[in-house]
Amino acid sequence: DGGITQSPKYLFRKEGQNVTLSCEQNLNHDAMYWYRQDPGQGLRLIYYSQIVNDFQKGDIAEGYSVSREKKESFPLTVTSAQKNPTAFYLCASSPGLAGVSETQYFGPGTRLLVL
Amino acid sequence: ELKVEQNPLFLSMQEGKNYTIYCNYSTTSDRLYWYRQDPGKSLESLFVLLSNGAVKQEGRLMASLDTKARLSTLHITAAVHDLSATYFCAVERLEYGNKLVFGAGTILRVKS
Repeated sequence: DGGITQSPKYLFRKEGQNVTLSCEQNLNHDAMYWYRQDPGQGLRLIYYSQIVNDFQKGDIAEGYSVSREKKESFPLTVTSAQKNPTAFYLCASSPGLAGVSETQYFGPGTRLLVL
Repeated sequence: ELKVEQNPLFLSMQEGKNYTIYCNYSTTSDRLYWYRQDPGKSLESLFVLLSNGAVKQEGRLMASLDTKARLSTLHITAAVHDLSATYFCAVERLEYGNKLVFGAGTILRVKS
């Protein structure tokens, strides 16, 4: 089955700790994205990557870092600099073809809680 | 800066009734998307609207786009309980590399 997987489903972070959220896709998509969703709000873009070994900051990148060493993987690290990390994190991917309608497909999400 | 506003933010309706969710955006857009989210779940793509006057329908949901008015609507016909979810519109600007800007979402509750 083609799709996007995220792990873990739930993640607990202690104060001062860095944690990494996994996102893998087997859709052969070039573009991948990380969003944060807070209760009762829409999604906000953290980072995005249009090709391997390249990524750009989104609207709320502070306190987060990413890497894109492989086409299918786009892990997100929530660093200790992110003071309010409790949220639902969603990874998405899209084909990345210029000029083509590019629906983004979303993974099941990771819920991050601070202990 | 591109801003997207949805209204209403919460909608409680009876089964069998019709209603419309509105999505306004602030600047010229290339594409508009509608997504559905069930509680605690991920987002499911519903519609992609690519041009002025575009209309798409799937079951009891119909989406339309007026690029001149910078407005998209999601019309619900004869609502059923299974439509209860949160609905998001999202606007894309190609010049920003397929970045989507999301509205705050409309929570729809259909009562039996």
